[in-house]
Amino acid sequence: EAEVAQSPRYKITEKSQAVAFWCDPISGHATLYWYRQILGQGPELLVQFQDESVVDDSQLPKDRFSAERLKGVDSTLKIQPAELGDSAMYLCASSLVGGEQFFGPGTRLTVL
Amino acid sequence: AQKITQTQPGMFVQEKEAVTLDCTYDTSDPSYGLFWYKQPSSGEMIFLIYQGSYDQQNATEGRYSLNFQKARKSANLVISASQLGDSAMYFCAMREPSGGGADGLTFGKGTHLIIQP
Repeated sequence: EAEVAQSPRYKITEKSQAVAFWCDPISGHATLYWYRQILGQGPELLVQFQDESVVDDSQLPKDRFSAERLKGVDSTLKIQPAELGDSAMYLCASSLVGGEQFFGPGTRLTVL
Repeated sequence: AQKITQTQPGMFVQEKEAVTLDCTYDTSDPSYGLFWYKQPSSGEMIFLIYQGSYDQQNATEGRYSLNFQKARKSANLVISASQLGDSAMYFCAMREPSGGGADGLTFGKGTHLIIQP
């Protein structure tokens, strides 16, 4: 069964360091989403891609966060520099256009 | 104002009983979708059930059903014959398509369901 892949599963970093997460969507899914889930809360959308284009990044803290999907397939989310408040689960999801979103296992980030 | 409200932070239910998880939503868009996801302690989000705003019948998927009351803007999840493996966080979410194709989900804060033997 096709799945969304994410790596790493866990990441521990010190504040002010750079960190990057990778996501490989289900093959054929043109739409890719990055969500952030702080402990005890629901996920919040950071950015949505349609193919290689950003559709919505209104909630992305652009001073330190960046996201790219250069060839319209896999995607990277970067934080530079990381802050203590960035500790969270980072979830990637993909879908066919307008379809159900399938989530990956997530990357659990701890910033010390 | 919150778009998705889940008023039950936690629930304890006896195994084999039915359980209802509450969700109310706020939107002025006539076209929207409502989702329920399950998140076990391992962290992955598992899709359970979907209800479109124009769907005439309540959605059902196995032991899961959605009690959709459009006028009240509620979309409660009903789990019949609960099992120990149902213990998890449950999130209600809404999709409101907007111009340009943006359709990210807005999630509630979740309900932590614990099934007791």
